[in-house]
Amino acid sequence: GDSVTQMEGPVTLSEEAFLTINCTYTATGYPSLFWYVQYPGEGLQLLLKATKADDKGSNKGFEATYRKETTSFHLEKGSVQVSDSAVYFCALAGNQFYFGTGTSLTVIP
Amino acid sequence: DAGVIQSPRHEVTEMGQEVTLRCKPISGHNSLFWYRQTMMRGLELLIYFNNNVPIDDSGMPEDRFSAKMPNASFSTLKIQPSEPRDSAVYFCASSLERPLHFGNGTRLTVT
Repeated sequence: GDSVTQMEGPVTLSEEAFLTINCTYTATGYPSLFWYVQYPGEGLQLLLKATKADDKGSNKGFEATYRKETTSFHLEKGSVQVSDSAVYFCALAGNQFYFGTGTSLTVIP
Repeated sequence: DAGVIQSPRHEVTEMGQEVTLRCKPISGHNSLFWYRQTMMRGLELLIYFNNNVPIDDSGMPEDRFSAKMPNASFSTLKIQPSEPRDSAVYFCASSLERPLHFGNGTRLTVT
């Protein structure tokens, strides 16, 4: 069945460091892929999405490219800020929604 | 757009009591989802509705849990009787097609 596997955390980075959070998926058909972010005490918020192969989703300096050949949707940001500290979830929408286990990011000044 | 609205934000109750969580989806959305989030098990889908009809409730832990959606603008998740292991954050989400839009959750503590 469909599933999402994302990088285990927690991840701790210094401000302005480069961020990569890996996400790979297994799916039949052609799913849409998403990254969600969860700040403390809040619900999950959509960060970015891609609906077909080679699409690049981007928002707030974050990017992820839908790679069908490697079944991946890695999240990247060139220079993280303290305010990016949160939990990040990779998700797949096929016949249902599937979420990864979440990766906690802490950015220190 | 008011977003998905959940109430209460926090609920503390004693074991054996009935708990009702409420959700108002975004107007116009036709799918509604209930999730539970814990440190141990992460985000779990409990049940989802499409056009007010329950489609998949295989994630509902046991008969103590029940969910209803009497109309397009309201849903409840009820736990009766509650147990300490039900302590978690419960999220409601709605969608029209994709993606999902989440509420801010209800933090349930059962003592």
